Amino acid sequence: EAQVTQNPRYLITVTGKKLTVTCSQNMNHEYMSWYRQDPGLGLRQIYYSMNVEVTDKGDVPEGYKVSRKEKRNFPLILESPSPNQTSLYFCASTPRDRVNTEAFFGQGTRLTVV
Amino acid sequence: QKEVEQNSGPLSVPEGAIASLNCTYSDRVSQSFFWYRQYSGKSPELIMSIYSNGDKEDGRFTAQLNKASQYVSLLIRDSQPSDSATYLCAVNIIITSNTGKLIFGQGTTLQVKP
Repeated sequence: EAQVTQNPRYLITVTGKKLTVTCSQNMNHEYMSWYRQDPGLGLRQIYYSMNVEVTDKGDVPEGYKVSRKEKRNFPLILESPSPNQTSLYFCASTPRDRVNTEAFFGQGTRLTVV
Repeated sequence: QKEVEQNSGPLSVPEGAIASLNCTYSDRVSQSFFWYRQYSGKSPELIMSIYSNGDKEDGRFTAQLNKASQYVSLLIRDSQPSDSATYLCAVNIIITSNTGKLIFGQGTTLQVKP
């Protein structure tokens, strides 16, 4: 079954404690991205990756890092989380050769930073 | 001006009525347009895509695109309580000749009352 898997689904952490949210897709997609969703603001792109070892900033990259060492994985790293990073996070993947097409989303990670 | 704009709602319609959801976008060269449905706390799922001017119908859903007016809409006929969700409009913004980025509107919340 084609899917994008995020972990964990829920996470409560304290300010400053480094964390990683994992994302894995089994569709051999080149393009992957991370979004955060906050009430009234819609989906905002944090980082995206066009292929292995190729990443770039989205609209709200401050406070986040990503890596793309393998095609299937695209982890989101918060080196020093702060309460303003409390949000609902989604990973998505799309085949690069047809960027004008459907984005497949993970199940979401609800992060609370206290 | 935001790149993709939607009225956040809520839009309330009675069961069986037609729900009309609207979206405007700013990039004149955009070629791909999508409607996603998102239930509370869940990930977005694609329900319609449209690439050329006119109407595209799929079951109870009709997407309408007018590139000259930079306007895309979604009609839901015979609305059901199960259609109550947030509907996200997404537009693919061209970055280079072979890359693009999906930009999401903030979403319109639809409430279908029995």
